Amino acid sequence: QVLLQESGPGLVKPSETLSLTCTVSGGSISSYYWNWIRQSPGMGLEWIGYVYYTGSSNSNPSLKSRVTISVDTSRNQFSLKLNSVTAADTAVYYCARLNSATLGGFDIWGQGTMVTVSS
Amino acid sequence: QSVLTQPPSVSGAPGQRVTISCTGDNSNIGPRYYVHWYQQFPGNAPKLLIYGDNNRPSGVPDRFSASKSGTSASLAISGLQPEDEAHYFCQSYDTTLSGFWVFGGGTKLTVL
Repeated sequence: QVLLQESGPGLVKPSETLSLTCTVSGGSISSYYWNWIRQSPGMGLEWIGYVYYTGSSNSNPSLKSRVTISVDTSRNQFSLKLNSVTAADTAVYYCARLNSATLGGFDIWGQGTMVTVSS
Repeated sequence: QSVLTQPPSVSGAPGQRVTISCTGDNSNIGPRYYVHWYQQFPGNAPKLLIYGDNNRPSGVPDRFSASKSGTSASLAISGLQPEDEAHYFCQSYDTTLSGFWVFGGGTKLTVL
């Protein structure tokens, strides 16, 4: 059973960089697209971006200039960096797996981690 | 504002059938792009409920079904049960700009 677990600071100051890591357990990070998705309090879901196990990545056009997503296959982890954060970046951040077997649906999610942007 | 449009809320009595709509346009929901549905309980991560327009992952009851027509999709829940009370989100792929995954704003289902 593949499990995902997010980790990282729960509080980030405005203008600084939000950094999160997702650890994949119970399976290999090789193959699949690994994603970051966030959900602002009381709001809907927003796809942030993905990284493939080869290291190729893509991100939401609305966030592209601030987002870096990377993968460490030796540790079965992938990471998100979002720079120049503001209060609007306060959200629950999820990591999730995109599976071709589910035709592009996100079939496995981490439990989520709340990140608050505040001084 | 979400790219895909869902009603903020729907409700139904136990045993009834409810539907939740998801409206997009020709840059997302359409003949080429699948729609997926998620169920989310408070404090939990979303769970994939329907994938590829109308397929249920293992373990999802057949009370849940979905369909797609043109640039809209809908999720149907029949034989409504109290434990179905949750938020439901649709998801597809959008081809504007460099392409990205998009979600609906979510629909809160209340079981009366």
